[in-house]
Amino acid sequence: QVQLVESGGGVVQPGRSLRLSCAASGFTFSSYGTHWVRQAPGKGLEWVAFIWYDEIKKHYADSVKGRFTVSRDNSKNTLYLQMNSLRAEDTAVYYCAREDPTINDAFDMWGQGTLVTVSS
Amino acid sequence: QSALTQPASVSGSPGQSITISCTGTSSDIGSYNLVSWYQQHPGKAPKLMIYEVYKRPSGISNRFSGSKFGNKASLTISGLQAEDEADYYCCSYAGSSTWVFGGGTQLTVL
Repeated sequence: QVQLVESGGGVVQPGRSLRLSCAASGFTFSSYGTHWVRQAPGKGLEWVAFIWYDEIKKHYADSVKGRFTVSRDNSKNTLYLQMNSLRAEDTAVYYCAREDPTINDAFDMWGQGTLVTVSS
Repeated sequence: QSALTQPASVSGSPGQSITISCTGTSSDIGSYNLVSWYQQHPGKAPKLMIYEVYKRPSGISNRFSGSKFGNKASLTISGLQAEDEADYYCCSYAGSSTWVFGGGTQLTVL
């Protein structure tokens, strides 16, 4: 079954860290660039980060630059998002999304999301 | 990285057509033919409906169409159906491997 499954969300205090994972299955994960997109409760989508298929390049939204790090382990078909110095405004459902190389700059498959709540 | 501008809500009756606009700038929509649209039902993950301004992924109904003129993109849904009721988001490539979404539009089928 072709899917992405996020995990690692939870409640964390401001200033602390959390690492999200996104497990891919049913397709050749190492051939796809992958993104993190988040959605605050009742709000719209916000692009967070992108990592190339070979991990050579990584890119971040200004809102998370310097605090979040995206990485991947193609041997484990897994994408990660290390989130440090968390703030209340980082509270959101975090989705991982695949970018099919034949569909330019669009996200053709999404996981179900994992909720991160930053609160004291 | 300012969000693209979408109307908060649109509505239409079954069988009618509606259009959702998405306004950006010369740095995003105006510079690239890389606008995509996503449908999101409550509590669900977004679903790709349109990519590269007007192209439809396999399995997406031809009732959904996209266009762009200058800094503005549009999504048109024809022959509205009850299951089209959802939130819709536009997204544009914004250069330097960054992307920007619109604020979202809630579609109500009357």
